Amino acid sequence: DVKVTQSSRYLVKRTGEKVFLECVQDMDHENMFWYRQDPGLGLRLIYFSYDVKMKEKGDIPEGYSVSREKKERFSLILESASTNQTSMYLCASSPSPAGSGNTQYFGPGTRLTVL
Amino acid sequence: KQEVTQIPAALSVPEGENLVLNCSFTDSAIYNLQWFRQDPGKGLTSLLLIQSSQREQTSGRLNASLDKSSGRSTLYIAASQPGDSATYLCAVNSGYALNFGKGTSLLVTP
Repeated sequence: DVKVTQSSRYLVKRTGEKVFLECVQDMDHENMFWYRQDPGLGLRLIYFSYDVKMKEKGDIPEGYSVSREKKERFSLILESASTNQTSMYLCASSPSPAGSGNTQYFGPGTRLTVL
Repeated sequence: KQEVTQIPAALSVPEGENLVLNCSFTDSAIYNLQWFRQDPGKGLTSLLLIQSSQREQTSGRLNASLDKSSGRSTLYIAASQPGDSATYLCAVNSGYALNFGKGTSLLVTP
């Protein structure tokens, strides 16, 4: 079974802190994604990566950066956390380029609260 | 930009009923469409994936259809059970990432 793991299920941070959310997949997938999920807004794409050291902005990249130094690991970084970044963060991976028809596999999510 | 809409936003049915969840999208140039299930506080579990060239997919009590030209998909759940209670999300793949609807929250009462 494909497994996508996220470093924390729950995280509480202070405004202004630097926050790292880690995601690891064990199936050698090329593509990895970070979404945030908010009530009434649904899931929105923050960043994605289609290869090591490659990244593309999604719909809401402001306030975030990402790092992909190894194929299996994709990190989301909040340089200076703010209260409006309180959300559920979901990581996903998929095994092939766009158009192949393969599904995305999601991690369990990290619920981040910024005080 | 692809817009995905799900109707209804919430649904409550008694156990045993058959039900239909609806999803519509604005741009018919898609690679595939997926239905996901999300339990409270948890991640997403893929239920069914329909390729753009397909009309429907079935898994157990679930059947999903796709009409790409009209921008619509339905998820049919037969003989609903309390364990089906969850949020169901429709997602359209038009490129690298998925565009999600806001979901239908389903409650099946015993």
